[in-house]
Amino acid sequence: DAGITQSPRYKITETGRQVTLMCHQTWSHSYMFWYRQDLGHGLRLIYYSAAADITDKGEVPDGYVVSRSKTENFPLTLESATRSQTSVYFCASSESELGGNSPLHFGNGTRLTVT
Amino acid sequence: AQSVTQLGSHVSVSEGALVLLRCNYSSSVPPYLFWYVQYPNQGLQLLLKYTTGATLVKGINGFEAEFKKSETSFHLTKPSAHMSDAAEYFCAVSDRGSYKLIFGSGTRLLVRP
Repeated sequence: DAGITQSPRYKITETGRQVTLMCHQTWSHSYMFWYRQDLGHGLRLIYYSAAADITDKGEVPDGYVVSRSKTENFPLTLESATRSQTSVYFCASSESELGGNSPLHFGNGTRLTVT
Repeated sequence: AQSVTQLGSHVSVSEGALVLLRCNYSSSVPPYLFWYVQYPNQGLQLLLKYTTGATLVKGINGFEAEFKKSETSFHLTKPSAHMSDAAEYFCAVSDRGSYKLIFGSGTRLLVRP
């Protein structure tokens, strides 16, 4: 089925561990995004990508690394997880600039707990 | 930097009552404006958006929003709430020509029977 898939849905890890959250979309959208959702903060942009091999920082990039070797995949890595990175992470994609007819499509999220 | 403020982290209405969720943005240049809805354990989905043209925008599920430049507002309304409207609602803004979206902190809508 076409869409945007995040895995895993739930993850518990320990402080200091490296963890990678996966995101795969089947539309071949150019733009992909990672957001984190925390109570009282709404969604905050971590990293985004305009195309394969093009990535850039968002509002809260510290402690995260991304890559985009293929258009359809956009993994997010926490190099050394901290408790402050406990959050719900959403991946999203968009075909084009947001003012056009292409909305932002979201995955169902990954709930990450760092102990 | 662009920002968006949603007044009220929780709003409670009776079924059949008017829904009003408030959103104000900071830009002096009219941006693109969006409302997204999030149901439990799901991602966000687009309710409606304003880019250009008519300032009253209609979306899915009977929701609409009005862009008011003089008030830098984009409040979301629905004439009659249904139980199924209970969810979290996010206002978002992006600068024209940008593909980056800035979200408000969200408003949780509770609908009482």
